Amino acid sequence: NAGVTQTPKFRILKIGQSMTLQCTQDMNHNYMYWYRQDPGMGLKLIYYSVGAGITDKGEVPNGYNVSRSTTEDFPLRLELAAPSQTSVYFCASTLQGQETQYFGPGTRLLVL
Amino acid sequence: AQSVSQHNHHVILSEAASLELGCNYSYGGTVNLFWYVQYPGQHLQLLLKYFSGDPLVKGIKGFEAEFIKSKFSFNLRKPSVQWSDTAEYFCAVKSNQAGTALIFGKGTTLSVSS
Repeated sequence: NAGVTQTPKFRILKIGQSMTLQCTQDMNHNYMYWYRQDPGMGLKLIYYSVGAGITDKGEVPNGYNVSRSTTEDFPLRLELAAPSQTSVYFCASTLQGQETQYFGPGTRLLVL
Repeated sequence: AQSVSQHNHHVILSEAASLELGCNYSYGGTVNLFWYVQYPGQHLQLLLKYFSGDPLVKGIKGFEAEFIKSKFSFNLRKPSVQWSDTAEYFCAVKSNQAGTALIFGKGTTLSVSS
C-alpha cells in the first residue's frame, strides 16, 4: 500500500492564480481530511469528507473548495490564491471507527 | 468549542535527559487523545493514542503518556531522549463534530543535542 499520497510536493503560485492539490489514498478509507499547518499554529482543518459525494467545512474553509467523486481521491482547490494561503497542506484519511488518521507527506505552497 | 493546549513551544534537552511535554484539552466528556510526531522533512506519524482503559498508554520508540481526567491532561513522557527524537510533537483530540477530525495543539519543537 502506498498509503496517502499528495502531489505536488512544492509549488509557488502568484496571487490570483488557481491550483488543485491532489490527494489519493489506497486503503479504502471512507473519511478524508485536509489540514493546513502554519508555523507555531499546529494543524487546522480545512474540509473533510465522510464518503464519496459528501463534504463539509472545517475550521478554516474560506478560499478553498473540495470534491469527493471517488473513495480514493479528495482534491483541494484554491481558486484565487492569496498570500495568506502560504502554508503546508496535509491530507489524511481514516476508516470510520478506526480512529487513527494516516497522513500524507504534505504539499508546501508559497503564494507570492 | 474543543481545544488543545500545549504548554511548551520549544524544548531543548541533552541526550539521556528525561522528557515531559504538557498537553491539556478542554472537553469534559469522552475523549480520544493522540500524540503525533513530525520528524524533520517527514509527515506526521502516530506516537500513541488513548481511547479508554488503562490511563498509562505506551507508544512507539519508548514514549508513553498518562491520561489524567481530573486535570484534563495527557502529558507525553520519555525517560531518556535520543538525538533522533528531535522533532515536532503534536497533541490532538478527536473532534466530537467534524467527522472525527482531529483538533491539534500548536505543537512543541524538541531539540536534542548529542
